[in-house]
Amino acid sequence: SQKIEQNSEALNIQEGKTATLTCNYTNYSPAYLQWYRQDPGRGPVFLLLIRENEKEKRKERLKVTFDTTLKQSLFHITASQPADSATYLCALDFTGGGNKLTFGTGTQLKVEL
Amino acid sequence: DTAVSQTPKYLVTQMGNDKSIKCEQNLGHDTMYWYKQDSKKFLKIMFSYNNKELIINETVPNRFSPKSPDKAHLNLHINSLELGDSAVYFCASSQDGVNTLHFGNGTRLTVT
Repeated sequence: SQKIEQNSEALNIQEGKTATLTCNYTNYSPAYLQWYRQDPGRGPVFLLLIRENEKEKRKERLKVTFDTTLKQSLFHITASQPADSATYLCALDFTGGGNKLTFGTGTQLKVEL
Repeated sequence: DTAVSQTPKYLVTQMGNDKSIKCEQNLGHDTMYWYKQDSKKFLKIMFSYNNKELIINETVPNRFSPKSPDKAHLNLHINSLELGDSAVYFCASSQDGVNTLHFGNGTRLTVT
């Protein structure tokens, strides 16, 4: 079965540094991959989507890469701020149909002053 | 206005009871979902409805019965609640052709 792995341990970084989160998956590559942010007591919020034919996508301080050879996506937050502290989830649709996202377990990021 | 709203936010009940969670979206989306997030934060799809029609049922016990009276609403009824049903249940919606999900803020169900 398809598996998605994210760093299970929390990532602590200093304010101003770049945070890099990893998402690895098994078996065949999906048509696209998504990243979501989840704050305590809230639902996940969509951040970025990257398609299999895109190597990199940017949105403000966020950057996502997608390497279908390595079966890996990296999520970067540059100039990190304490407000970036949250859990970040990657999600893939292995069916290609667009309606069945499989989520990773998420990586908790804590940005310290 | 909240785009995807679900009620109640918290639900504490005893084993064997029947309970319902309601969800409404005002985004005009065609597809709605129920996801379950367990204590390890693993978020797993349960059901998906498109225009009131069930399209995904992820081998969820038949004690769970979703109902979609119209495309803006998707409710979840759970019969004979068990301890293992304790989790946070998220409702979500998406627009056809745009595969990103909009989530509600969850219903924390605790079965004692």
